[in-house]
Amino acid sequence: QKEVEQNSGPLSVPEGAIASLNCTYSDRGSQSFFWYRQYSGKSPELIMFIYSNGDKEDGRFTAQLNKASQYVSLLIRDSQPSDSATYLCAAVKSRSGNTPLVFGKGTRLSVIA
Amino acid sequence: EAQVTQNPRYLITVTGKKLTVTCSQNMNHEYMSWYRQDPGLGLRQIYYSMNVEVTDKGDVPEGYKVSRKEKRNFPLILESPSPNQTSLYFCASRVGAGEQFFGPGTRLTVL
Repeated sequence: QKEVEQNSGPLSVPEGAIASLNCTYSDRGSQSFFWYRQYSGKSPELIMFIYSNGDKEDGRFTAQLNKASQYVSLLIRDSQPSDSATYLCAAVKSRSGNTPLVFGKGTRLSVIA
Repeated sequence: EAQVTQNPRYLITVTGKKLTVTCSQNMNHEYMSWYRQDPGLGLRQIYYSMNVEVTDKGDVPEGYKVSRKEKRNFPLILESPSPNQTSLYFCASRVGAGEQFFGPGTRLTVL
């Protein structure tokens, strides 16, 4: 069973719309969750992290965590063509950092102008 | 500037010729790791290190070696590369459970 699962996409949304990216995880011991954006051939870059249940907002991005449902999501408001990329969800078990970061395979987002 | 550097960025080699990909970070991070990324398979961890002289296998360690003699460096060694190790490789570092920083990547082709 994969530990972090994402729909591979592609997810296509029109410019200006809200893009909703979803991620589920199997290990209930997971403590912290991260969303990375990766452009083709480039390295992943962190967009947001979340530790607590609920929503966390940063500009056009909102991360949502529901530990009871083992579900993490990322909402991108007012989507722009420059948001077109692969979005990677990741989870880590330990707050102390002595366990690996487990990545999903990513969801490819395409924002259509 | 806080960063993770990798060298070389691109490498074409032949089967069996030993190679080393270097990785260095200037953020005093304890945790470092190596990933390979292949189409449809996502990021897969090869090896990781929680501190100097402490390394452990990730999900796909076969055919790779690492060492962590200094905190800032974490080289990836392919003793006898094979074509199935053709991939995009990323080094990464982090402190605790915080943000993980990635290097720019090394695109390796083994003929």
